[in-house]
Amino acid sequence: GAGVSQTPSNKVTEKGKYVELRCDPISGHTALYWYRQSLGQGPEFLIYFQGTGAADDSGLPNDRFFAVRPEGSVSTLKIQRTERGDSAVYLCASSFWGDTSTDTQYFGPGTRLTVL
Amino acid sequence: AQSVAQPEDQVNVAEGNPLTVKCTYSVSGNPYLFWYVQYPNRGLQFLLKYITGDNLVKGSYGFEAEFNKSQTSFHLKKPSALVSDSALYFCAVLRGSYIPTFGRGTSLIVHP
Repeated sequence: GAGVSQTPSNKVTEKGKYVELRCDPISGHTALYWYRQSLGQGPEFLIYFQGTGAADDSGLPNDRFFAVRPEGSVSTLKIQRTERGDSAVYLCASSFWGDTSTDTQYFGPGTRLTVL
Repeated sequence: AQSVAQPEDQVNVAEGNPLTVKCTYSVSGNPYLFWYVQYPNRGLQFLLKYITGDNLVKGSYGFEAEFNKSQTSFHLKKPSALVSDSALYFCAVLRGSYIPTFGRGTSLIVHP
């Protein structure tokens, strides 16, 4: 398909484990964003990539969270030593240029992470 | 800091009636405002945005929003609701040029 895809759609893990969440943006989009959406809340910004580099990672809550985008396309969000509070839906979005005032962010369906 | 508030957790409306989903904002400078919709098990979809110009912004699926600077509001409206409009609606304000800050969301329920 032509949209943003995220895998897996659901991930259940145990406290203390390591998880990786994958995002495939729309082809040709240079900007990629990760958000976290907790129950009953709006999405919260985590990190923004422009090409291969993290242009803004100010939303990452602590050093257990890390994200990469090595070839400027697919991105992986990595969470070490997961905690129950990490349980949320993790959303990925992409846009063509990155200027959201003129550009549109397209969101994937999300990965629902449950930490037991 | 830029922020938006959605005062209603849920809005109920009968099919065919007009609907309004409320949003107020707090920004320094000119606001860039957005509405997104989230259907169950699907990603957020962009509906419309206000950047500058006409205070009445038209978007997808027959939705529109009115920017009111004096009331610092950006309410989402539709003249005639459909059952298929039932979803979660998020207002957002842009922080910088690329990061939207989202409200908590309003669940719209349209009754047949």
